[in-house]
Amino acid sequence: EAQVTQNPRYLITVTGKKLTVTCSQNMNHEYMSWYRQDPGLGLRQIYYSMNVEVTDKGDVPEGYKVSRKEKRNFPLILESPSPNQTSLYFCASSLIRGPNEKLFFGSGTQLSVL
Amino acid sequence: GDSVTQMEGPVTLSEEAFLTINCTYTATGYPSLFWYVQYPGEGLQLLLKATKADDKGSNKGFEATYRKETTSFHLEKGSVQVSDSAVYFCALTGSARQLTFGSGTQLTVLP
Repeated sequence: EAQVTQNPRYLITVTGKKLTVTCSQNMNHEYMSWYRQDPGLGLRQIYYSMNVEVTDKGDVPEGYKVSRKEKRNFPLILESPSPNQTSLYFCASSLIRGPNEKLFFGSGTQLSVL
Repeated sequence: GDSVTQMEGPVTLSEEAFLTINCTYTATGYPSLFWYVQYPGEGLQLLLKATKADDKGSNKGFEATYRKETTSFHLEKGSVQVSDSAVYFCALTGSARQLTFGSGTQLTVLP
C-alpha cells in the first residue's frame, strides 16, 4: 500500500532533550516536506527536500534540522526542543514538486514539550 | 508573499444542508488552487484542485471554481452528510512552487 509513515504518533518530552521524528515513504517520491499544524495558523512548512541530499528551509525552520540521505526517509530533528515547538507535525511527499502535484500526507505526530 | 484566507470556523450544519466555505488568495502569477480535507486523527488528503482560471474542480459532490477576477476558490456542496465532518484547508502553489495553506475550517454535520 502506498503510504507515508511517521513515527511516533504521540511524543511527550522535556525541554532540551533531543528527539527525532521519522518519516518514510514507499512511493519513490522525490519531494518530501515537513509541516507543523497549530490552531488558527493552518499548516506551515518547516523544511522541504527536492531530492536526496537537497534540503531547503520553509517558512518556520528555526529550531529544526532535517536530513535526506536516502530517497525514502526524511527525519525531522529537534536538537533542543522548547515548549513553543509543541504542535502537530505532518510529513508529506509527492512524486516531484510541480505546481499541480498531489501531496501525500502521513498521519501526524503530536508532540508535547514540557 | 503568497497567502490564503479562509472563512473562520467552526461551521455546524444539519445533514442535507448546503455548504459554502469561502477562500480567497493573494499570489503573483497564476497559482494552482487546492482543497485538502483532514478527517479526525488522519493526515490531509487532496479533495480537489484547479490549475487555471475558470477551471472547476470536483470530487465526492464537492465543487470549487477558480475565479481569477475575485481571487477566490470557494468550496461548495449541495447536500452535506455526517461523514463530511472534517477540517477543510484551502491551499495554493505559487511561483515558489511550495504549497501555502489557509488556516483551516472545521465542519461539523449533525444528523
